[in-house]
Amino acid sequence: GQQLNQSPQSMFIQEGEDVSMNCTSSSIFNTWLWYKQDPGEGPVLLIALYKAGELTSNGRLTAQFGITRKDSFLNISASIPSDVGIYFCAGPTRANNDMRFGAGTRLTVKP
Amino acid sequence: DTAVSQTPKYLVTQMGNDKSIKCEQNLGHDTMYWYKQDSKKFLKIMFSYNNKELIINETVPNRFSPKSPDKAHLNLHINSLELGDSAVYFCASSLDRASLYGYTFGSGTRLTVV
Repeated sequence: GQQLNQSPQSMFIQEGEDVSMNCTSSSIFNTWLWYKQDPGEGPVLLIALYKAGELTSNGRLTAQFGITRKDSFLNISASIPSDVGIYFCAGPTRANNDMRFGAGTRLTVKP
Repeated sequence: DTAVSQTPKYLVTQMGNDKSIKCEQNLGHDTMYWYKQDSKKFLKIMFSYNNKELIINETVPNRFSPKSPDKAHLNLHINSLELGDSAVYFCASSLDRASLYGYTFGSGTRLTVV
């Protein structure tokens, strides 16, 4: 099926550092979405990507839709403590009937 | 105004009991979902309704039964609760079943079966 593989599984960084995480699939996705989940809350959409090669920013966050349409990257610049949480990549399945989620990257930021 | 609201936020119950979780969205979306998040934080689709019609019914025990009285509501009823049902259950909605603009999630219901 259209599985999404996220890496790394977890990251421990110092405040102020830049962060990079990625998501890959053996299948092509036509849309890539990045979500963040804060503790005790539901995932919240950060960035949506709709075109191969597209680079989109949202504040300190930048995401790219890979040229092959089989991967996507999320970068966070100058991390701050409130960036702590779990970051999920996601994409609609071929049938567009549901959203597949990666297993998440757990980010910890040390002040 | 909460876009997708779930109740209750926490639910602790004994094995064998029957319980319900309610979900309501005020976004005017056509499609609603139930996801289960396990202890490793993996999000797995359970059910999806589009305009009150069931469109996704993943491999979920028959003890789980969704009900959508109208397109703004999707409730989840669970019979004969088991220890393995302990998880966080998320309701979500999307504009339409294509979900190209992503989902809006509720804040989750943490179910603990003892």
